[in-house]
Amino acid sequence: AQSVAQPEDQVNVAEGNPLTVKCTYSVSGNPYLFWYVQYPNRGLQFLLKYITGDNLVKGSYGFEAEFNKSQTSFHLKKPSALVSDSALYFCAVRETDSWGKLQFGAGTQVVVTP
Amino acid sequence: ETGVTQTPRHLVMGMTNKKSLKCEQHLGHNAMYWYKQSAKKPLELMFVYSLEERVENNSVPSRFSPECPNSSHLFLHLHTLQPEDSALYLCASSQARGPGYEQYFGPGTRLTVT
Repeated sequence: AQSVAQPEDQVNVAEGNPLTVKCTYSVSGNPYLFWYVQYPNRGLQFLLKYITGDNLVKGSYGFEAEFNKSQTSFHLKKPSALVSDSALYFCAVRETDSWGKLQFGAGTQVVVTP
Repeated sequence: ETGVTQTPRHLVMGMTNKKSLKCEQHLGHNAMYWYKQSAKKPLELMFVYSLEERVENNSVPSRFSPECPNSSHLFLHLHTLQPEDSALYLCASSQARGPGYEQYFGPGTRLTVT
């Protein structure tokens, strides 16, 4: 069975500082990994995904994520956070050779202060 | 966000009412999904439709009844709901059902059952 963990309920960062949102996963095969962001009263927006290839994936709004197979992690990063990045971030995983569902983490609230 | 639309955005209904949620995707996708998002819980996948055929039903109570008349429209018919069914209901679509396809979400319907 696949699972995903976001160990931090909330991450606080000052504007202009680097932002990291952590995600670890567990699958029996090879993973497809996704990051989504949710702003208040809105649906989830797709940020980026890892399927195969380069471990560093670049996505929307200046976000990137690094796939680390040995640590089973897929942390989301942004070099310089903006106040507008304050939102709820979800990591999700799906096994490659599976019709199984996309498993979402519980979410991490990011608060960027001016 | 205009790729997937949902109506109504807010709905208050009594336990004996019957109502329907509507979702429409303008992306030419072939798979559509219903999710339930409750406070402090991971997203729960309810139903998956692929090419208008229901392919997943994740142990959802029969008081929730989905309908997919064509690849662009998805409905969730509600009847005799319980207060614990109050949540944000999200519709999503993807190009296909395969594991590597990201999902695009609508803004959701905030449902309150009184």
